[in-house]
Amino acid sequence: GENVEQHPSTLSVQEGDSAVIKCTYSDSASNYFPWYKQELGKGPQLIIDIRSNVGEKKDQRIAVTLNKTAKHFSLHITETQPEDSAVYFCATRFNNNNDMRFGAGTRLTVKP
Amino acid sequence: KAGVTQTPRYLIKTRGQQVTLSCSPISGHRSVSWYQQTPGQGLQFLFEYFSETQRNKGNFPGRFSGRQFSNSRSEMNVSTLELGDSALYLCASSLDLVGTDTQYFGPGTRLTVL
Repeated sequence: GENVEQHPSTLSVQEGDSAVIKCTYSDSASNYFPWYKQELGKGPQLIIDIRSNVGEKKDQRIAVTLNKTAKHFSLHITETQPEDSAVYFCATRFNNNNDMRFGAGTRLTVKP
Repeated sequence: KAGVTQTPRYLIKTRGQQVTLSCSPISGHRSVSWYQQTPGQGLQFLFEYFSETQRNKGNFPGRFSGRQFSNSRSEMNVSTLELGDSALYLCASSLDLVGTDTQYFGPGTRLTVL
């Protein structure tokens, strides 16, 4: 069935470096791609999202790129800070049954 | 504006029992979705309610059910609990249907089945 694959599962970077997380999806009709950050003991929080009519979106240190032909999208975090440490999830809406599917998550650790 | 609230935050039940979880969406939001989060399966979509109607349902057995009230508050029920139902149950609300508008998650209800 439709799924979302997310890589890497863990990522450790030095403070100030960049972090990139990638997701691939199978439903070519998907048109909405959010990214969530989940801190310990909290629910996921939307940090950025992109729709299929654009290829890139930026919000300060965070950017998302979308390649619809290759069916993958990526989260880019620049100038990482220790408070960026969390689990990040990608997701997409599968149009055939309209439900949201999430990647398995990436645990990002930013070392001071 | 108050965020999504879920009650209770923690719950311990035994196998065979049933449980009801509650979610209050952000004021004005009409869509409420429920998700199950476990270390092994990750975040999985349970169902979405919009204007008191179930709009979408994930791949879960009929023991999992839900409803939405006229004030958009939602409840989900799990009957005949199994050990594998132990999970964090998350509720998310949005102004409109899933995928058309931003979803905001609550803190979740941690259910432990003994």
